[in-house]
Amino acid sequence: DIQMTQSPSSLSASVGDRVTITCRTNQSISSYFNWYQQKPGKAPKLLIYAASSLQSGVPSRFSGSGSGTDFTLTISSLQPEDFAAYYCQQSYNTPITFGQGTRLEIK
Amino acid sequence: QVQLQESGPGLVKPSETLSLTCTVSGGSISSYYWSWIRQPPGKGLEWIGYIYYSGSTKYNPSLKSRVTISVDTSKNQFSLRLSSVTAADTAVYYCARVRVAPYYFDYWGQGTLVTVSS
Repeated sequence: DIQMTQSPSSLSASVGDRVTITCRTNQSISSYFNWYQQKPGKAPKLLIYAASSLQSGVPSRFSGSGSGTDFTLTISSLQPEDFAAYYCQQSYNTPITFGQGTRLEIK
Repeated sequence: QVQLQESGPGLVKPSETLSLTCTVSGGSISSYYWSWIRQPPGKGLEWIGYIYYSGSTKYNPSLKSRVTISVDTSKNQFSLRLSSVTAADTAVYYCARVRVAPYYFDYWGQGTLVTVSS
C-alpha cells in the first residue's frame, strides 16, 4: 500500500492567515493526488484534484501543488468557514489511501 | 445536481452481515464508477472498494474476503455487503461517485452510522 504522511496533524491559525498543509507519499504517484475538506458531522468535500486542479465551486483561496511524492494544500487567507479537517488522498494504486488528516482550529 | 443517499440498518450484531444501499438521484448511474468509504468515529477515512456501472469491482485487500459491492442500474442504486462484522467495523459509511484519471470522489452521500453491537 502507498503510505501517506500528512502534516501537521493539527494547526491553530487566525482569520486572514496563510496556511499550508503538506502530504508526503512513500513512492512517486505523479499527480494522482487529491484534497478534501470535512466539517464535523458532514461528508468530505472535494477541494483539489490531480494535485492542482480546483474543483468547480471551490473558492480560489484554496490551491494545490506538487507531484511525485510531495504535495501541498495552501489556503491564502483563512475565512471562518475554513476551520475544518483536511485529508489528502492518492489514487495511483489500489488500495486508494488517505492521509490521517489535519485539524485546522481557530487560534 | 447529483445526490447520493445511503440507507440500511444502523445496528448490526457481531458476526452478522452489514448491508447498505446507495440511491443515486439527479443523474444516471451509468458510465461512472461508484465507491464505498468508511470512517470510524473520531478517525480517518478508509476506502472499501468501487464498482463500475457494468459490474466490475475493485476492493481494498484488507477487506476483500468480507466485501461485496453490487449495482442495480434499473434502480440507480449500488450496494455494500460486509460479512462477519466486529466492533472494529463500527463507522460512518459513505457512498460516493468516482471520477477517473485520477480517481477522486466528487459527490458524496451524507453518510450513515453503522454500529456493531449485540
